[in-house]
Amino acid sequence: GAVVSQHPSRVICKSGTSVKIECRSLDFQATTMFWYRQFPKQSLMLMATSNEGSKATYEQGVEKDKFLINHASLTLSTLTVTSAHPEDSSFYICSAWGREKLFFGSGTQLSVL
Amino acid sequence: QKEVEQNSGPLSVPEGAIASLNCTYSDRGSQSFFWYRQYSGKSPELIMFIYSNGDKEDGRFTAQLNKASQYVSLLIRDSQPSDSATYLCAVTPPRGGYNKLIFGAGTRLAVHP
Repeated sequence: GAVVSQHPSRVICKSGTSVKIECRSLDFQATTMFWYRQFPKQSLMLMATSNEGSKATYEQGVEKDKFLINHASLTLSTLTVTSAHPEDSSFYICSAWGREKLFFGSGTQLSVL
Repeated sequence: QKEVEQNSGPLSVPEGAIASLNCTYSDRGSQSFFWYRQYSGKSPELIMFIYSNGDKEDGRFTAQLNKASQYVSLLIRDSQPSDSATYLCAVTPPRGGYNKLIFGAGTRLAVHP
């Protein structure tokens, strides 16, 4: 079964609103989680590394004020897309290491109208 | 030069044939190598991982690693239409540990009846 749970699977929102995506490790503790974004027919692009109890580490070109990451517990990381715009429409996927393997959540398809 | 390179495909094979997917990586110190399968609109699913030179078999899948040539491949025997997907090669950076994976752009495999 799934070891990383992601919710919601799909969200449609109006431009200017904020959207929160949750990522949970189900049967292991994850001090580090990763957030990826994927545009159609393109590869996974790492956005940021979420660190439990400390600030996230963002990849170059990713706006930290726009993509807020909170990793308040060893099993939960959240990504909030603030003031979303149509260009933020994408497939967002979280992941976490468990048993020496990187497992992915089921992904969130974000559509901003 | 990209850190992880894959032929984008599509690689088209008939049902029952062997599909061979290839991946090269640039950093000689890379330590762990993973193959993920991704269906359209879904998140990646781990297929195989390999750490040591040589072959590793799991059911119809065989991963092959050649660190001297910086080359990792995935063979799928008795290919089925359900194997049609994008296959992502991923590599851990040399410093190792639980760290971000570097993904290739993926190879699209099409298995036709």
